[in-house]
Amino acid sequence: AQSVAQPEDQVNVAEGNPLTVKCTYSVSGNPYLFWYVQYPNRGLQFLLKYITGDNLVKGSYGFEAEFNKSQTSFHLKKPSALVSDSALYFCAVRDMGGGSYIPTFGRGTSLIVHP
Amino acid sequence: DAGVIQSPRHEVTEMGQEVTLRCKPISGHNSLFWYRQTMMRGLELLIYFNNNVPIDDSGMPEDRFSAKMPNASFSTLKIQPSEPRDSAVYFCASSLTGGEQFFGPGTRLTVL
Repeated sequence: AQSVAQPEDQVNVAEGNPLTVKCTYSVSGNPYLFWYVQYPNRGLQFLLKYITGDNLVKGSYGFEAEFNKSQTSFHLKKPSALVSDSALYFCAVRDMGGGSYIPTFGRGTSLIVHP
Repeated sequence: DAGVIQSPRHEVTEMGQEVTLRCKPISGHNSLFWYRQTMMRGLELLIYFNNNVPIDDSGMPEDRFSAKMPNASFSTLKIQPSEPRDSAVYFCASSLTGGEQFFGPGTRLTVL
């Protein structure tokens, strides 16, 4: 079985400050992890993924995510937030040992960056 | 590449009418997903196709919903008859098997 949790419905941050959007997961085997972003009235857009290798993954628009196996977390980060980063962020996980190719999405975290 | 294409972008219909949503996946992708998104229920997976074959349709709400993928470049999601509670944004996404998904712009469905 696979599951993912985004513990915060909303994250508020001031422009220029670092941001973190949290994600924890549960899988039986090894995780295949994703982050997506959804701007208003748009479809979800792929940001980055982790399969194996370096625990720090870099993605689009200056975002990065850190894989932590012991804490089963995959938090999304950015050193300096922009107002244009305000959007809905989704974490997703697929259990690579589970036999299914269907990922499970979190409920999403609304990021609001204040000027 | 044009990305995933969905049509129509907006659909307003009356209760009881048939609704057909269309999706053209990215060329070369062999997996296709239909999702529904609402404020109340968030993002829900309706059905997953791999190599044009429905693999998991456990998310399809009821018999009023049906989906087909007659070839690798086209899929439809049909609701018949439609009800007000079907109002939502419907997304189609495609991927290589197991990989990151590429979402279309969505169809905003309003059932009056």
